Amino acid sequence: QKEVEQNSGPLSVPEGAIASLNCTYSDRGSQSFFWYRQYSGKSPELIMFIYSNGDKEDGRFTAQLNKASQYVSLLIRDSQPSDSATYLCAVNNMDSSYKLIFGSGTRLLVRP
Amino acid sequence: KAGVTQTPRYLIKTRGQQVTLSCSPISGHRSVSWYQQTPGQGLQFLFEYFSETQRNKGNFPGRFSGRQFSNSRSEMNVSTLELGDSALYLCASSLIRGRADTQYFGPGTRLTVL
Repeated sequence: QKEVEQNSGPLSVPEGAIASLNCTYSDRGSQSFFWYRQYSGKSPELIMFIYSNGDKEDGRFTAQLNKASQYVSLLIRDSQPSDSATYLCAVNNMDSSYKLIFGSGTRLLVRP
Repeated sequence: KAGVTQTPRYLIKTRGQQVTLSCSPISGHRSVSWYQQTPGQGLQFLFEYFSETQRNKGNFPGRFSGRQFSNSRSEMNVSTLELGDSALYLCASSLIRGRADTQYFGPGTRLTVL
């Protein structure tokens, strides 16, 4: 079992729709959760992070964390074609807080 | 403020050779981490340097090594290159060690091993 799992996609949504990206993790000691956006040929860019159970909103992005279910998600409202990218989920924990463990990423396509 | 810079951006080597990649962190950032990204394995942690010392290491063979200089610049070295070492090597610097929300990635070095 991989430590951080994501559906590889592609997830295809029409422009203006809500895109929902999901991630599960295996280590119950995980403390911090991150979502990165990576455009093709570019490096990852941090777009959201969450530490506590519940929702965290930033503009069109909402991160949701459920530690009991070991599940973290990213919602993108009013999706735009420019949101088309690969979204990487990453976690770290108290034992190895200096290294991030990444999922394989979900490719998102927003259709105009 | 300048971002994380990595040189070279592209590199082609042959099996058995060695390679050195360079990373200059954002000014004021003292923690530097290296990651390898491949289509098959995704993004994997290589090692982290802070105050010129390797503090953490990922699950990679000893052919992968690195160092950090007093100005926080870092280099990583891969000896006896294998075809499977073809990857995007990413360097990331952090303002606060252990806080990934203060971490920024460089543009990466694309290494191709023939």
